[in-house]
Formats: sequence, structure tokens, C-alpha cells
Amino acid sequence: QVTLRESGPALVKPTQTLTLTCTFSGFSLSTSGMCVSWIRQPPGKALEWLARIDWDDDKYYSTSLKTRLTISKDTSKNQVVLTMTNMDPVDTATYYCARSNRYSNYFDYWGQGTLVTVSS
Amino acid sequence: DIQMTQSPSTLSASVGDRVTITCRASQSISSWLAWYQQKPGKAPKLLIYKASSLESGVPSRFSGSGSGTEFTLTISSLQPDDFATYYCQQYNSYSITFGGGTKVEIK
Repeated sequence: QVTLRESGPALVKPTQTLTLTCTFSGFSLSTSGMCVSWIRQPPGKALEWLARIDWDDDKYYSTSLKTRLTISKDTSKNQVVLTMTNMDPVDTATYYCARSNRYSNYFDYWGQGTLVTVSS
Repeated sequence: DIQMTQSPSTLSASVGDRVTITCRASQSISSWLAWYQQKPGKAPKLLIYKASSLESGVPSRFSGSGSGTEFTLTISSLQPDDFATYYCQQYNSYSITFGGGTKVEIK
């Protein structure tokens, strides 16, 4: 049974750095082809893909946000970590992690999401 | 980045109606398109991948078609559980993009 769960602060101040952790089970990020992405959704708005890390440690970032994002993994802990620097109120959103496969990069399993509010 | 445009943004329909949602890509994405259903406060749920392949466990009233730049999601007979927001997603390039969503409301 595949599960993913996001964790991190519910509230961050403007200019701070956000660190989110995705803890998963039911698959391994050491398995060839496996990938985990971060996706966010501002309240009432559409989904936006942020970053992806692959089993071989290849990393990919959103064109518009790549200067602010870092994605990493700890295979032994079954965790993927996303950091986003210089947070702004427009970054207020529900942040999801989701699983995909490099060769078919759609998301078959998602976490329940974590709402992050950026406010002073 | 490839832009994905969905239409309509909102759709009012009744139980039993046939519903069609369109997704257009700004350049050809072959068949590398997925559809998701999202209900309020919940994560998206995968319905269709590779434009027309039904995800396991998804009712057969959902179907997808298209290739290149134009795609459709069809619900053959709308059920009460289908009132939700639907998103398309292209995965032709590593830089994944989603459509803006289509909210299916009760008429």
C-alpha cells in the first residue's frame, strides 16, 4: 500500500525559508524509475508543479521557481525534502508530494497535502 | 513551458448528463496527458493517463481521447459523486504543467 504524507510548518513569515518533508511508504526511491514531485495549489486556484527528484538523484525544477527551490532525498528514511527560500504571501498554498515514474510522469499517488500560510 | 488550456472553466450539468471537458496544449504533447479529479479539501485523484488509459478502479463512465494538442475527458452519464473539479496535466517534457481546471457543478 503506497502512502505519502507531507509535514512542515503551517505558518512562515515573509523572507523566511520553508522546509517541507514528504515521508512515504509502499515503494522505494532506490527502485529504478521511481520519482517524487512537489506540487502546490494556492487557495481556489490551479495546481502548479514545483520540483521532482528521481531514484538516481536527478533533479528537475519549475522554470519560474528554480532559483528558490532545492529538492533532496534520504532513501534510508523514505523521505524527500523541499526547501523554498524567500517566502512571500503569494506562496500561500497547499503543498502536495506525489509519486510518479520517469517513463510515465503522471502522479498515481498523492499525499493529503499541507497548508502553508505566509504572513507576518 | 507548455501551456495547457482547459475549457470550460465551469460547467453546470445534471445527473445523467453526458459531459465533455477539453484541454488544449500550446504545442504537441503526443499522448502524454493525464486527467485528475479533485474534490474540496482533497488531493487530486488520477483518472486517465496516456490520454485514454483508464486508471485501475476508475469507473468506465470516464473516458479520455485525443493526441497532439487537443484532448477531451468525457463522463458518459454524470453521477452525484462526479461533481468536482477536473485538471489535465501534460508530461511530454520534464517541466510538467497543469490546466486551469474545470469545475463541474450541479445544474
